[in-house]
Amino acid sequence: DAGVIQSPRHEVTEMGQEVTLRCKPISGHDYLFWYRQTMMRGLELLIYFNNNVPIDDSGMPEDRFSAKMPNASFSTLKIQPSEPRDSAVYFCASSSNREETQYFGPGTRLLVL
Amino acid sequence: AQKVTQAQTEISVVEKEDVTLDCVYETRDTTYYLFWYKQPPSGELVFLIRRNSFDEQNEISGRYSWNFQKSTSSFNFTITASQVVDSAVYFCALSELSNDMRFGAGTRLTVKP
Repeated sequence: DAGVIQSPRHEVTEMGQEVTLRCKPISGHDYLFWYRQTMMRGLELLIYFNNNVPIDDSGMPEDRFSAKMPNASFSTLKIQPSEPRDSAVYFCASSSNREETQYFGPGTRLLVL
Repeated sequence: AQKVTQAQTEISVVEKEDVTLDCVYETRDTTYYLFWYKQPPSGELVFLIRRNSFDEQNEISGRYSWNFQKSTSSFNFTITASQVVDSAVYFCALSELSNDMRFGAGTRLTVKP
């Protein structure tokens, strides 16, 4: 079975541009998580969904960030407008239950110039 | 409040040495789950183990072993006869019924030939 799929793997953009990160969770997993990893703050949970519904978005840093899950096999994390401080690795993870093991995608390395 | 503490920021060993990575957690829940993930230089997060709070048996998987002690709130990870391929950042994580998963800051392990 395929693992969590993320695209793009790398993204370089200029400040002010819109960035969209994509994630396909493992089939059958009801939970989907978006994390951000930086040297300064480590791994931070941004938002998670259960059955396509956002449950906790308290980790989303600002209104510039938004996430959607239109169906069970696809989610997006959008940053508009992007800023240099958004540069980080963004991971998507999925699990069958909230306490079960989260399986991570390969991450999207974002650089905002 | 800090939930997961990995006091060792960096560890360096020579190949074939044994090494233990420490993890101390904090929770008020009686039911919780502990995890270890490996992040090699390629960047992905690889699941290693999940342990629930009711199972204190130590686990061994090849050269890897885990020591879970509720009395000291610790879940330490030992690599026996380390190899260069073990070089990575290792994260300990805690999942509680009442809270989202929390990751420690990670321990960077370097195994020198």
